[in-house]
Amino acid sequence: DTGVSQDPRHKITKRGQNVTFRCDPISEHNRLYWYRQTLGQGPEFLTYFQNEAQLEKSRLLSDRFSAERPKGSFSTLEIQRTEQGDSAMYLCASSLAKDSGNTIYFGEGSWLTVV
Amino acid sequence: GNSVTQMEGPVTLSEEAFLTINCTYTATGYPSLFWYVQYPGEGLQLLLKATKADDKGSNKGFEATYRKETTSFHLEKGSVQVSDSAVYFCALSVPGSDYKLSFGAGTTVTVRA
Repeated sequence: DTGVSQDPRHKITKRGQNVTFRCDPISEHNRLYWYRQTLGQGPEFLTYFQNEAQLEKSRLLSDRFSAERPKGSFSTLEIQRTEQGDSAMYLCASSLAKDSGNTIYFGEGSWLTVV
Repeated sequence: GNSVTQMEGPVTLSEEAFLTINCTYTATGYPSLFWYVQYPGEGLQLLLKATKADDKGSNKGFEATYRKETTSFHLEKGSVQVSDSAVYFCALSVPGSDYKLSFGAGTTVTVRA
């Protein structure tokens, strides 16, 4: 399978704990994205990387959230001191940006439940 | 700002029925338009896209035409199957910010045998 892969697929954590999600993009894709999706809503943009540089962060990404893509390949999204409002599906996506367009491919998501 | 408005669901159909999901948009600039589909327990998959006015995107029997004059991108399928049961999302991106998709709220479609 050469799609975007995410790990873990499901995580249940107690409020106040830290969690980390990992994303492996499609090989050779230079862009990597994180989105968040809550029940009954469409995904919302959180942040994106071009290679290893984080180029934009949404206002949704509070100080408790940090994303990294250290070598321009896989990425991690860490949430510190989790709150119940963080419960959502965190979607990773990747693309190969080029002049002819930028088609974004999503992974299967990581479900987070904060209890 | 950029936004997408989708027809509210849920939509329930019988097999072989005709499906239409309405999508209208508001955007600064000339957007690219997309339909994504999310099957139960899975992530989003790109279904089809269109990048300029009057373009028709098509895939798996689904079609959508980019209508600039009505700012719409309605999704249609002539004969649905049970396997088409999913949540469908309309989305857009604008030039200069093509990394940022703006999604509609999604429309849940259930097809009964």
